[in-house]
Amino acid sequence: AQRVTQPEKLLSVFKGAPVELKCNYSYSGSPELFWYVQYSRQRLQLLLRHISRESIKGFTADLNKGETSFHLKKPFAQEEDSAMYYCALLGNTPLVFGKGTRLSVIA
Amino acid sequence: KAGVTQTPRYLIKTRGQQVTLSCSPISGHRSVSWYQQTPGQGLQFLFEYFSETQRNKGNFPGRFSGRQFSNSRSEMNVSTLELGDSALYLCASSPGQGIGELFFGEGSRLTVL
Repeated sequence: AQRVTQPEKLLSVFKGAPVELKCNYSYSGSPELFWYVQYSRQRLQLLLRHISRESIKGFTADLNKGETSFHLKKPFAQEEDSAMYYCALLGNTPLVFGKGTRLSVIA
Repeated sequence: KAGVTQTPRYLIKTRGQQVTLSCSPISGHRSVSWYQQTPGQGLQFLFEYFSETQRNKGNFPGRFSGRQFSNSRSEMNVSTLELGDSALYLCASSPGQGIGELFFGEGSRLTVL
C-alpha cells in the first residue's frame, strides 16, 4: 500500500529563517514524489517533483530512499511562502497525497 | 489555455438527495481524476478516468460514481447524500494516465444539511 505522512499540521517560522517541511512515504517499489502547494484563494498546483531535481521559488527536495523521506527545504523563508503544502506519491496507483502542512511565515 | 473548470462552485443539498458535479479538463488532456478534500482527511482519491474508462477507483462507497465523455469532460455523482459527504470536490486533469503532474480545478464545495 502507498502512504504519505506529513507529521506537522502547522509550521510557523520567522521571515528569513530556514524552512523544512517533512514528508515520509511508504511504498515497496520506486516511487515518484511530488510537492504541491495551495496559496490562499488559489487552486492546488504542482511545486516540484523529485525527478527534475530543480529548485522552484527557492525550494528544493531530495528523495532519500533509505529514510523513505522527501522533505521540502528552503534556506530563507519569505512571507509569500505562507500556504498549504502537500506531499504526494505516484506508485502503482493514482497520486496519493499526505494530509498537508500549513506553513505560516511570520514577518 | 483555459484551466480546469468545475461547476457548480458551491451547492447546498439535504440528506438523501443526489448531486452531480461537472469537470471540463484542459484542452488536450485525456485523463481526469477526482479527489475529495476535507479538513480532517485531506485529499482522498475518488476516481481516475482515461479515454472514457474508469481506470482506478478509491475506497468510497458505491454511492459515489462517475463517468467521462468522448470530449474528456467528466461528471461525478453522489446519491443518497449523507452529512459526511460535505467536502470540497476537486477535479484534476493530465495529458495521460499515471502522470503525477495534475492540473487542478477550483473545486465544487458541497454542503449537506
